[in-house]
Amino acid sequence: KQEVTQIPAALSVPEGENLVLNCSFTDSAIYNLQWFRQDPGKGLTSLLLIQSSQREQTSGRLNASLDKSSGRSTLYIAASQPGDSATYLCAVRRTIYNQGGKLIFGQGTELSVKP
Amino acid sequence: SQTIHQWPATLVQPVGSPLSLECTVEGTSNPNLYWYRQAAGRGLQLLFYSVGIGQISSEVPQNLSASRPQDRQFILSSKKLLLSDSGFYLCAWSVSAGRPRASNYGYTFGSGTRLTVV
Repeated sequence: KQEVTQIPAALSVPEGENLVLNCSFTDSAIYNLQWFRQDPGKGLTSLLLIQSSQREQTSGRLNASLDKSSGRSTLYIAASQPGDSATYLCAVRRTIYNQGGKLIFGQGTELSVKP
Repeated sequence: SQTIHQWPATLVQPVGSPLSLECTVEGTSNPNLYWYRQAAGRGLQLLFYSVGIGQISSEVPQNLSASRPQDRQFILSSKKLLLSDSGFYLCAWSVSAGRPRASNYGYTFGSGTRLTVV
């Protein structure tokens, strides 16, 4: 059974700091991995999608890496801003032929960036 | 471009009342559709998924049901709500597995419905 773990559960940093959020998964047979952002009371916004054959993806100040063999992904946020404050969720998609390709989520990391 | 609509945004319902939440997707065909629930302080739990019209799979036994009457419409229902049904309900879609370059696409979520059962 696939399990996804995110560390830390909460993180508070001063504005301008670079930071890393961690995600680990127990089964390396994944289809892809997706990072989401969730603001309080809102839906999920997709940040980055990494296919199983890729090592990293970048979007602006965000960089996500994937090491399938070790079951790990990291989300790197450069020069953090107060507007980055949100909960960040990591999710893996199982093989596409299995049960419709559902996502398995981690519990999330709640990030607070202080001005 | 594809969009997903979910309504209502908030709902307060008494125990024992019925429920109907609707989700529609535009700009794509034959999507996979999903209902997730996020209870306070907890992670996201998959409730139902559908790979086609009338095809519904349930992940957990519960007081809820789902239907897909049209290709891009997904409905979450209950005949009698329980207090434990309170939570944040999210609809999502993804491309079907057989679509070319399906791995390039992830999940897209709706804006969610906050349900409070009183």
